[in-house]
Amino acid sequence: DGGITQSPKYLFRKEGQNVTLSCEQNLNHDAMYWYRQDPGQGLRLIYYSQIVNDFQKGDIAEGYSVSREKKESFPLTVTSAQKNPTAFYLCASTPLGGRGAQPQHFGDGTRLSIL
Amino acid sequence: AQTVTQSQPEMSVQEAETVTLSCTYDTSESDYYLFWYKQPPSRQMILVIRQEAYKQQNATENRFSVNFQKAAKSFSLKISDSQLGDAAMYFCAYRSGQGAQKLVFGQGTRLTINP
Repeated sequence: DGGITQSPKYLFRKEGQNVTLSCEQNLNHDAMYWYRQDPGQGLRLIYYSQIVNDFQKGDIAEGYSVSREKKESFPLTVTSAQKNPTAFYLCASTPLGGRGAQPQHFGDGTRLSIL
Repeated sequence: AQTVTQSQPEMSVQEAETVTLSCTYDTSESDYYLFWYKQPPSRQMILVIRQEAYKQQNATENRFSVNFQKAAKSFSLKISDSQLGDAAMYFCAYRSGQGAQKLVFGQGTRLTINP
C-alpha cells in the first residue's frame, strides 16, 4: 500500500546534538512538508519542498534544516540551534497541479524529546 | 497572512447526538480550500472532509457535513449520530488555491463522546 513512513517513532536528543528525522513516501507526490505540533496547539509549518533539490522555509524554520535529494525522501534535521525541540513532528505530502481540493497525506509522526 | 481560529478548545456530546465544531478563517483570497482533519489518540492525521471555496454546495461525507459561509468566513463541522470512535482532536485547515499548497491549521478542538 502507498503511504508515508516516518522513522523513528520516538527519538531522544542530547544537548548540543543534531538529530535527523526520516520521511519517505511511495505515493509519487511532488510536494512534501514538515510540521511541528506542540501540546494544545495546531500544526505549524517548518519547511516544504515542491521539487527535488529545492525547498522553502515555513513559519518556524529556525534551528531546522532539510534536504530533498530524491522525490521520495525529505529528511528533517533538528540542529543544536533549536533550543526547544521537544514536540511531535509530522511529515506530509501531496500531488501538485490539477483542480480540486487535493488533501495532504500524513505520516504517523515522530516524537522528539530532550534527554 | 491567512489565519484559522477554532474558538472551542473542548467539546463534549452524548453518543448518538449531533455536535457542531466551529472554525473561522481570515483571508483576502477568493480561491482557496478548507479541510477538517481528525487526530485520534494514535496521533494519525485523518482527513474528514474538504470544501472548495468556489462551490456553494456544502460538502457531506456520511455522518459528517460542513456549513460553509464564505461571506462570514466560517466553516463549521457537524457530526451527526456521534459514535465513540469520533473522539479525537479536530483541526480546521486552510489552503490557498495558488502556490505551494501549504496548510494553515487552527488550534484544534478536543471532542469527547459520552456513552
